[in-house]
Amino acid sequence: RKEVEQDPGPFNVPEGATVAFNCTYSNSASQSFFWYRQDCRKEPKLLMSVYSSGNEDGRFTAQLNRASQYISLLIRDSKLSDSATYLCVLGNTPLVFGKGTRLSVIA
Amino acid sequence: EPEVTQTPSHQVTQMGQEVILRCVPISNHLYFYWYRQILGQKVEFLVSFYNNEISEKSEIFDDQFSVERPDGSNFTLKIRSTKLEDSAMYFCASLPPKGQVPSESYEQYFGPGTRLTVT
Repeated sequence: RKEVEQDPGPFNVPEGATVAFNCTYSNSASQSFFWYRQDCRKEPKLLMSVYSSGNEDGRFTAQLNRASQYISLLIRDSKLSDSATYLCVLGNTPLVFGKGTRLSVIA
Repeated sequence: EPEVTQTPSHQVTQMGQEVILRCVPISNHLYFYWYRQILGQKVEFLVSFYNNEISEKSEIFDDQFSVERPDGSNFTLKIRSTKLEDSAMYFCASLPPKGQVPSESYEQYFGPGTRLTVT
């Protein structure tokens, strides 16, 4: 089983839509989790950390379910600028990356 | 805002040649990393470096690879004899000392990457 699994997409959504990404991980000992965003041929950039209680940052909401080893990211009111690949990352040192889910927001 | 820098942005080399990829981490950071990303694949860990020595390395980081922090600012990745399959984006990352920032802000800062093309 892969360490981090994500639906590769692509997800093609209209502006203003709500979109959700899911991620499962195999290492039950993982303690911290992140969502990174990566634009084409650019470095990964931290979008948000994922806390046990779930957390929200503007239009973005992250949830963690340790029992199911499952992490989600919800994006509300999608913007064209949200188009990118979203990487689910285990915060073990070193970081363990999923392959990412590609999002295209269409006008 | 301080940032990690990498040079060159793009390196083209012939198979069998040696390449050195350079990184300047954020100045007060203590932990340094190299990751690579083959086109269309996930970001993969290569090596971590702390206190002037390798702290962890992956199975990708074989004898062809080496890292150095020669002068207290640069952090380099050397590939001794490049292979076609070494073609990838190579990202350097650095991490501040633990305790310096709140745990929820404890993120690795990535450089913009060097695209290595081996022909």
